[in-house]
Amino acid sequence: DQQVKQNSPSLSVQEGRISILNCDYTNSMFDYFLWYKKYPAEGPTFLISISSIKDKNEDGRFTVFLNKSAKHLSLHIVPSQPGDSAVYFCAASGGAQKLVFGQGTRLTINP
Amino acid sequence: DTGVSQDPRHKITKRGQNVTFRCDPISEHNRLYWYRQTLGQGPEFLTYFQNEAQLEKSRLLSDRFSAERPKGSFSTLEIQRTEQGDSAMYLCASSLQSSYNEQFFGPGTRLTVL
Repeated sequence: DQQVKQNSPSLSVQEGRISILNCDYTNSMFDYFLWYKKYPAEGPTFLISISSIKDKNEDGRFTVFLNKSAKHLSLHIVPSQPGDSAVYFCAASGGAQKLVFGQGTRLTINP
Repeated sequence: DTGVSQDPRHKITKRGQNVTFRCDPISEHNRLYWYRQTLGQGPEFLTYFQNEAQLEKSRLLSDRFSAERPKGSFSTLEIQRTEQGDSAMYLCASSLQSSYNEQFFGPGTRLTVL
């Protein structure tokens, strides 16, 4: 039972444009959502998070949107840069304990 | 470097052997987590500690797996009688105890069972 789903295995975006990565979840008990970025042979690196009491959180070029009624969140990266090419994981937490991860989306930024 | 560290980074072993991995969390973090990641999947939760107490174990953690955090600092994950299906990246993460936890991950230990 996949509680967190990232339905796009890959995404290709031109440098300078907006990258939008999507994530859906099924468990209404999740109250905290995070995005991680992962390069090959490294552990995931925390990017940005949002609690369920908010619908938007911004940090520089990264913005996360949460739509609780649709159980959907998205990560917007603008403008996209070549260094953003990586695998992005959406994760969810309920009760500040374990994280439940999606399968990941491989983002490629083309020059 | 004050991040999460893991040792070894790579381990190749033969089926049936025992292996042990070590994780050193960020020093002020009292929570420590173990995850396993296989190709094309996101990390899957295995177990977590708050200080030295192991508070939750996933059903993925069979009897051949054991984790310890004896003094509430570093942690070890041991796999006994390894099987080829144990081949994966084993990730350790740590966090502060708070209502919302941002977990910080180490580089992982890649296990290959031949």
